[in-house]
Amino acid sequence: AQSVTQPDIHITVSEGASLELRCNYSYGATPYLFWYVQSPGQGLQLLLKYFSGDTLVQGIKGFEAEFKRSQSSFNLRKPSVHWSDAAEYFCAVGVWRDDKIIFGKGTRLHILP
Amino acid sequence: EAGVTQFPSHSVIEKGQTVTLRCDPISGHDNLYWYRRVMGKEIKFLLHFVKESKQDESGMPNNRFLAERTGGTYSTLKVQPAELEDSGVYFCASSEATSGRNTGELFFGEGSRLTVL
Repeated sequence: AQSVTQPDIHITVSEGASLELRCNYSYGATPYLFWYVQSPGQGLQLLLKYFSGDTLVQGIKGFEAEFKRSQSSFNLRKPSVHWSDAAEYFCAVGVWRDDKIIFGKGTRLHILP
Repeated sequence: EAGVTQFPSHSVIEKGQTVTLRCDPISGHDNLYWYRRVMGKEIKFLLHFVKESKQDESGMPNNRFLAERTGGTYSTLKVQPAELEDSGVYFCASSEATSGRNTGELFFGEGSRLTVL
């Protein structure tokens, strides 16, 4: 069965530091992969997505993610975080024969001033 | 252009009562999804409409949950009677129809938080 694992429930980094949020997936075919972010009081916003092609994907707000098939991973990165990046981040995989998305449990990012 | 809107943003009810959540998708989006997040757990798929038809309702927890999308526009999700374990945030999402499979860019609402006491 398809699944998404985000091993870190909480992560704390200092403002200006680099960030990497981990995501591993289980899926029998070539996955479609997503990262969504939920800021306080807001809905889920798409940061970036991978369908095919270049395995390094650029997203909004300076985020990027790299698809590594051999590791079944799609980790999210940002070279320098800002206080406004404090939010909850969700990795997700598209199950296309079923037309739906399966989410991980989320990683809550805390930023130290 | 208006995004996906959900109402109410927060509802507090007692066990055994009924609650109806509403979702207005982005205009012209044929696909409408309901998801739920129980505290501390993942966002779980509930069901998927294509226009007014239920494409997939495999995630609906039990028959206390009833979703409708009359006319293929807005959707409602009714919980009757509500139980304690129904507490959580209910997200609605919509996406455009495609000639083939859904491209996967779901646009989410802010969610409706349900608290059952």
